[in-house]
Amino acid sequence: EPEVTQTPSHQVTQMGQEVILRCVPISNHLYFYWYRQILGQKVEFLVSFYNNEISEKSEIFDDQFSVERPDGSNFTLKIRSTKLEDSAMYFCASTGDRGGAGELFFGEGSRLTVL
Amino acid sequence: RKEVEQDPGPFNVPEGATVAFNCTYSNSASQSFFWYRQDCRKEPKLLMSVYSSGNEDGRFTAQLNRASQYISLLIRDSKLSDSATYLCVVTPTDKLIFGTGTRLQVFP
Repeated sequence: EPEVTQTPSHQVTQMGQEVILRCVPISNHLYFYWYRQILGQKVEFLVSFYNNEISEKSEIFDDQFSVERPDGSNFTLKIRSTKLEDSAMYFCASTGDRGGAGELFFGEGSRLTVL
Repeated sequence: RKEVEQDPGPFNVPEGATVAFNCTYSNSASQSFFWYRQDCRKEPKLLMSVYSSGNEDGRFTAQLNRASQYISLLIRDSKLSDSATYLCVVTPTDKLIFGTGTRLQVFP
């Protein structure tokens, strides 16, 4: 069964360092997302991506965040200068349907710990 | 008012019990509604979509009341494997908005 894969599964970094989280969405999907979940809190939308550009982003997704689809398969989230409050589980998701119309498939997540 | 509100629980029920979760949402423009399930430290997974007419999938029944902006999930004959957090999800735009989730613990 096709699945969304994410790497790394866990990353520990020092405050102020740059982090890149990688995702390989399901191959025929067209809509891509990043969500995050701080421990004990709800799943929060960060950004959606379609047709090689950001289609929507939340207030959390400030200038420190960026996304890229450098080739036909990878979808990355970069945090330029990490803060303590960036510590969270980051989930990548993809869907073949227009966002919100169908099932969103999530990867297993990348846990980011900022020290 | 929060975009999606749920009782966080936990709901502790014995095997075989029937349990119901509720959810309210604030944006009346929301078009699609879902229940997702999240196991501890895992990714969310779709449990079922929710339709205005109500829908059933085995032991699970979902209802939507657009006028009251209210969504429910009923689980009959609870199993130990139903223990998880149940996330109410709405889509006011092209993204999913998650509630905080309701934790269910089924005990033997």
